[in-house]
This record gives sequence, structure tokens and C-alpha cells, in this order.
Amino acid sequence: GAVVSQHPSRVICKSGTSVKIECRSLDFQATTMFWYRQFPKKSLMLMATSNEGSKATYEQGVEKDKFLINHASLTLSTLTVTSAHPEDSSFYICSASTGDYGYTFGSGTRLTVV
Amino acid sequence: GESVGLHLPTLSVQEGDNSIINCAYSNSASDYFIWYKQESGKGPQFIIDIRSNMDKRQGQRVTVLLNKTVKHLSLQIAATQPGDSAVYFCAGLRGGYQKVTFGTGTKLQVIP
Repeated sequence: GAVVSQHPSRVICKSGTSVKIECRSLDFQATTMFWYRQFPKKSLMLMATSNEGSKATYEQGVEKDKFLINHASLTLSTLTVTSAHPEDSSFYICSASTGDYGYTFGSGTRLTVV
Repeated sequence: GESVGLHLPTLSVQEGDNSIINCAYSNSASDYFIWYKQESGKGPQFIIDIRSNMDKRQGQRVTVLLNKTVKHLSLQIAATQPGDSAVYFCAGLRGGYQKVTFGTGTKLQVIP
């Protein structure tokens, strides 16, 4: 089946630094990938929709300059949290569309900003 | 946008019993629904899906029921096992619109 690899699974960074999270579709091409954020005991909140070769579409209230998304190839999308602060600490999850309503999720990245 | 919500935040079930998790949706244009299972610290895993032209679909130990009249769907898990303990989310989509909207989630606790 379709597999999405997300890396790293955990990252701790200092306040003010930037962190990059990768999302790869391993055995299929994903023209569309999605980035979610999840707070403890809460649902997944869609941050942005990433389309290969074009600018990402951000949801209302999501700072595009804070959360940089790049989808340079059909198998890779990256989310960079710039100038991270403790309030950016969260669980970030990507998913990739396999077409015909199919979606596969990555295993998530636990970001802790200290 | 779509609004999908769950009735109960936590459900405790005895091992071996059947579990029923409910979900309500508000957008009658939704034509595809998915149930996901999320274990602690992991990403959501696909369980089962159903299209709006169906009212029931069965998988292995799981059944999804869709009632379009009252905009409600449910996930039934037969013979619940400890490994079923997780948070369950329903999600809805409408034709050609790829954005997936998740409900609040129901935490299923299986009592041994």
C-alpha cells in the first residue's frame, strides 16, 4: 500500500532556531500533500495544502512566513518552522493524496521548542 | 467549510464487547467519509471508508453505518480488543474537494 515517511519523528530545538520536517511518499507520486498540527488531546488542524510546483495554500490564521512549505517534487514536501518559539511546540503530521479520495498519513513529528 | 463532530469524547468498553463510535456531520454535500484510528504519538491510520451512495460497509471486525437523513455515521468494532484502544476520528470530504476535515475525536479505552 501507499507509504508516507515523515522525518524526524522527534526534534528538540532552541527558541529562535528553525526546524525542517520532511514528508516523502515512498511508493507513489503525490501531487498534493497536506500539513496538520495537533495539540494534546485535540483533533488535527489543517495548516496548509501543498501542491507540487506551486505555492502552498494556507488555512486562515496560519502564518505563511512562520511555516514555510516547499513541495519541489512529486514525492517530497517540507515544512520549515522558522524562528521557533515554545508556543510552536506541537505534533505535526503530513498526509499525501493518492488520488480518488485516498489519503495516507505520515507518522508525525513531535516538535519541542525550549 | 465542513463541520464534522463526534458525540462522545471518551468511550470505555469491556474487552470482547462491541464498540460503537458516533459522528455527526453538517455538510450535506459531503460524499465520502473516512474513519481513522490514531494511537498515542502516531499519525492517523485509515480504518474504513464509505461513499454517500452506500449506507453500510463492512471490513474486518469493523462496520461503518451512514445515515444521510440525519447526517450521522457510526463505527462499530466487534469483539473489541486492547489493541483497539486509541482515538478515533471521522473525516468528511465532498466531491473533488480534497481538504479533509476531522472531527474532535473519541478516545476508546478497552478494559481488560
